[in-house]
Amino acid sequence: NAGVTQTPKFQVLKTGQSMTLQCAQDMNHNSMYWYRQDPGMGLRLIYYSASEGTTDKGEVPNGYNVSRLNKREFSLRLESAAPSQTSVYFCASIPHEGVLDTQYFGPGTRLTVL
Amino acid sequence: GQSLEQPSEVTAVEGAIVQINCTYQTSGFYGLSWYQQHDGGAPTFLSYNGLDGLEEKGRFSSFLSRSDSYGYLLLQELQMKDSASYLCAVRGVSFKTIFGAGTRLFVKA
Repeated sequence: NAGVTQTPKFQVLKTGQSMTLQCAQDMNHNSMYWYRQDPGMGLRLIYYSASEGTTDKGEVPNGYNVSRLNKREFSLRLESAAPSQTSVYFCASIPHEGVLDTQYFGPGTRLTVL
Repeated sequence: GQSLEQPSEVTAVEGAIVQINCTYQTSGFYGLSWYQQHDGGAPTFLSYNGLDGLEEKGRFSSFLSRSDSYGYLLLQELQMKDSASYLCAVRGVSFKTIFGAGTRLFVKA
């Protein structure tokens, strides 16, 4: 099993450009999450999907959109990138809701917006 | 609001014991988790407490007191490879998980 995979690993954008971060998991997990991590601020939840077909906003959703394409894939889109979105983005999944909060993280995407 | 507080840095000597504290204020509470994150890497799950008390997993133990909104991670027999950041996390209302800013642990020889 590959676990949680993310593409790309690194990306540099200019202000105003758009891009989609891809995430996939092969563990048959129900719930998937997108976080951003900035120095000194820990992980902040952008969006999550409790199950296929549902998505909900987290703490910092502005400037982002998500798509839960199927049970395996959960993508994050930046429609018009801004320098404030420079960060490390992590995707995570958990096997089921409301029981044991064991999140499995992907390797991360390091995004720089110039 | 919701918040988690943990110390920013802790330094300890190889072979020693270190405790990393976490206090939380959240809307709803379903459990406290701990994650380890090495520089440039992704967080990896260490432990979970859903009920009060101590959970032991080898050299790592975690404690929770729901009445005090407090928990800690205890690392014993410290090794150089334990140098990393340790994140506490709380699953709150609507099953959203809130993470603390992390505690950077430096293990010295």
